[in-house]
Amino acid sequence: DQQVKQNSPSLSVQEGRISILNCDYTNSMFDYFLWYKKYPAEGPTFLISISSIKDKNEDGRFTVFLNKSAKHLSLHIVPSQPGDSAVYFCAASEGGNYGQNFVFGPGTRLSVLP
Amino acid sequence: DAGITQSPRHKVTETGTPVTLRCHQTENHRYMYWYRQDPGHGLRLIHYSYGVKDTDKGEVSDGYSVSRSKTEDFLLTLESATSSQTSVYFCAIRQNYEQYFGPGTRLTVT
Repeated sequence: DQQVKQNSPSLSVQEGRISILNCDYTNSMFDYFLWYKKYPAEGPTFLISISSIKDKNEDGRFTVFLNKSAKHLSLHIVPSQPGDSAVYFCAASEGGNYGQNFVFGPGTRLSVLP
Repeated sequence: DAGITQSPRHKVTETGTPVTLRCHQTENHRYMYWYRQDPGHGLRLIHYSYGVKDTDKGEVSDGYSVSRSKTEDFLLTLESATSSQTSVYFCAIRQNYEQYFGPGTRLTVT
């Protein structure tokens, strides 16, 4: 039973347009959410995060939106660039627990076409 | 850059042999983690450590053991490798509320 779901295995977007990656979670105890980007043959790199006390967090071209009632978050990339082509993982955490509760989704492969 | 290295980066081994993967960090982080990444599953936690000699199991710990005798090193051991343990293994450290990952070890069990 996946607690964090990314229902789109892949997404293709034209360069310059908006990329929207979606993530759903089932555990209402999650209170901190993160997005990671992964290039082939490299480790995941931290991209952006959001606490459950917020509904939006922005960092340059990247914005994460959180809808707690729907248990849904999304990552917006505007404008999309070819270098954004990677696998994106959504992750959720119970922030007060420094132990094991980082749960990752299966990932979405984003392709940004020139 | 969280100063994390993993060794080896690639390994091919035979079923039934023991294998040890090493994670090394240079910034004195308390929390360290081992994950495996498989298609369709994302990253799944194997074991984690919250200090020297302090470790606990994650979601997929069967067939794996860990040790942490020094702050900077976290070892993952497959006592008797099986083909189902063919995967990419990532080590991570925790800093504030985020985790930062090493470059990974690709392990193939034949």
